[in-house]
Amino acid sequence: EIVLTQSPATVTLSPGERATLSCRASQSVGTYLAWHQQKPGQAPRLLIYEASNRATGVPARFSGSGSGTDFTLTISSLEPEDFAIYFCHQRSSWPWTFGQGTKVEIK
Amino acid sequence: QVHLVQSGAEVKKPGSSVKVSCKPSGGSFTSYSFNWVRQAPGQGLEWMGRIVPIFGVTNYAPQFQGRVTITADKSTTTAYMELTSLRSEDTAIYYCARGLGTEADSWGQGTLVTVSS
Repeated sequence: EIVLTQSPATVTLSPGERATLSCRASQSVGTYLAWHQQKPGQAPRLLIYEASNRATGVPARFSGSGSGTDFTLTISSLEPEDFAIYFCHQRSSWPWTFGQGTKVEIK
Repeated sequence: QVHLVQSGAEVKKPGSSVKVSCKPSGGSFTSYSFNWVRQAPGQGLEWMGRIVPIFGVTNYAPQFQGRVTITADKSTTTAYMELTSLRSEDTAIYYCARGLGTEADSWGQGTLVTVSS
């Protein structure tokens, strides 16, 4: 099973600041890596698929990069609605797995 | 945008089974995978398995193998997840997700399953 390790577990930032979230895979997943955002009481929502492609309707301040085992989700300038939990997910090999999440909280 | 509508909350006794449904509001049913992902209270996301209706192929996470069955009814365009031998640790929100991790990714609203004696 591929283990996805996200860091940091929690990041505390102010609106307008840049957020950089990391996801590291225990073995290569190519570019079959997605990022989801989850707000309290809501279902997750896809932000990025195949490492660097923004999903429909996702603002340009969200970007994804990486391949193989190291991936990054960057939020260039945090908006109030961006404070949430972010999960990475791989669909490279069975069983598909998720990272444990990074919480982006308001400073 | 495709909406996935899931069945309502369930309360079950330990040892019993639960079956949750997921119906997309539109779009193709057979062309995409339907995945089931669960989230225990205050915890992360756990992939359980998936079905690709056009092929009838299923894949399951090892920790659920033997206890979970994912099916798809093409006539009613509804996907199902049945979990048996329920225990308290199965208390969670169960999400259905179409095309998980792809451009077509779309999630249901979640179904709370509570296992309690």
